[in-house]
Amino acid sequence: DAKTTQPPSMDCAEGRAANLPCNHSTISGNEYVYWYRQIHSQGPQYIIHGLKNNETNEMASLIITEDRKSSTLILPHATLRDTAVYYCIVRVAGGSQGNLIFGKGTKLSVKP
Amino acid sequence: DAGVTQSPTHLIKTRGQQVTLRCSPISGHKSVSWYQQVLGQGPQFIFQYYEKEERGRGNFPDRFSARQFPNYSSELNVNALLLGDSALYLCASSLGLAGTYEQYFGPGTRLTVT
Repeated sequence: DAKTTQPPSMDCAEGRAANLPCNHSTISGNEYVYWYRQIHSQGPQYIIHGLKNNETNEMASLIITEDRKSSTLILPHATLRDTAVYYCIVRVAGGSQGNLIFGKGTKLSVKP
Repeated sequence: DAGVTQSPTHLIKTRGQQVTLRCSPISGHKSVSWYQQVLGQGPQFIFQYYEKEERGRGNFPDRFSARQFPNYSSELNVNALLLGDSALYLCASSLGLAGTYEQYFGPGTRLTVT
């Protein structure tokens, strides 16, 4: 079973920031937080990952709470093309245990 | 550079038949993982192969099998197809073992079993 809890759906206005929350209260010290998204009928796309520090790349920012029990993915200026299902995944680092365990994710709808 | 490629894109099979799905990883990637995604659910892990050896297996029956070739491409075989095997089958590649490197997904093969 997935070790994360996400809201099933969210709406966001085009051009505004989209903040997607994720709870992972049972996360272990050696587990990273990963975010993927899946645009309709395509394969999942890697977005970002982090261990305990906040991370930023060209796609998004990841904010992880100090106790690591929750995190937020931020898309700073959402566009219609960001409409997708977003998956938050905790994953062991290293070895053969790191396959992705997907939950149902959050369906983000960006509206004009 | 080309991403992960999968073939065929779509196929329709009848219950009881066998199917083979193919995946070519990103150039330089040595690990391939297979996932099954039924409608409305997130992908579920089936297999991981690294350097031609099985390195992980999800909770799927023995009707599912896979292999990886010396060029790191991979095949997923499903025997005695059931209606419940209808799904999008995704292949993901990574530089090394999936626990250390990001996985990059292909577009998937849509399998319909009638």
